[in-house]
Amino acid sequence: DAGITQSPRYKITETGRQVTLMCHQTWSHSYMFWYRQDLGHGLRLIYYSAAADITDKGEVPDGYVVSRSKTENFPLTLESATRSQTSVYFCASSEHGQRTDTQYFGPGTRLTVL
Amino acid sequence: AQSVTQLDSHVSVSEGTPVLLRCNYSSSYSPSLFWYVQHPNKGLQLLLKYTSAATLVKGINGFEAEFKKSETSFHLTKPSAHMSDAAEYFCVVSDPDWGGGNKLTFGTGTQLKVEL
Repeated sequence: DAGITQSPRYKITETGRQVTLMCHQTWSHSYMFWYRQDLGHGLRLIYYSAAADITDKGEVPDGYVVSRSKTENFPLTLESATRSQTSVYFCASSEHGQRTDTQYFGPGTRLTVL
Repeated sequence: AQSVTQLDSHVSVSEGTPVLLRCNYSSSYSPSLFWYVQHPNKGLQLLLKYTSAATLVKGINGFEAEFKKSETSFHLTKPSAHMSDAAEYFCVVSDPDWGGGNKLTFGTGTQLKVEL
């Protein structure tokens, strides 16, 4: 039971480059989420998806693009990376998206933008 | 809007002594509250959650938390700390008003250090 996986685990890139972070879950959960974790901020929601082909913005969406063509995958793309996007990125999923549902988190991707 | 305040950014205890991590929340509704733990270079793992059933919630690894509506608090406790408890802990509230699934609002975290 793989659960929720993210790749790559570590990435170094340069300003202006496009970067895609991958997220894959094996539970067929409806909802998937992308967060970034920065010191002093906890985790902040970037984008979420309620189902395949349904996505919407979270708290800090600027500079990011998402897609969800299949239920199990939810890639996050930085179209032109900036230094301020250096962060740890977490993907999460939950079964129904109800407020009592648990969100299950992946192991994270540490992204450094030089 | 929901908000969460973790009152201590760092807590240090000796192994075998009690742990108290404090969390206050702000919510217009009866909230769902969670505690997650993050060990170094790992993802977040659910410790426990409150969903308007019993106010005293028991979680994994001997942790528990009590929901106190009058104090708007959801403090995390453990009777006896173990070295393996050293990690960062996040108090989290689920926003029922958002309309976009279970949006979580995170506190800024409490780093727990356990000393011999």
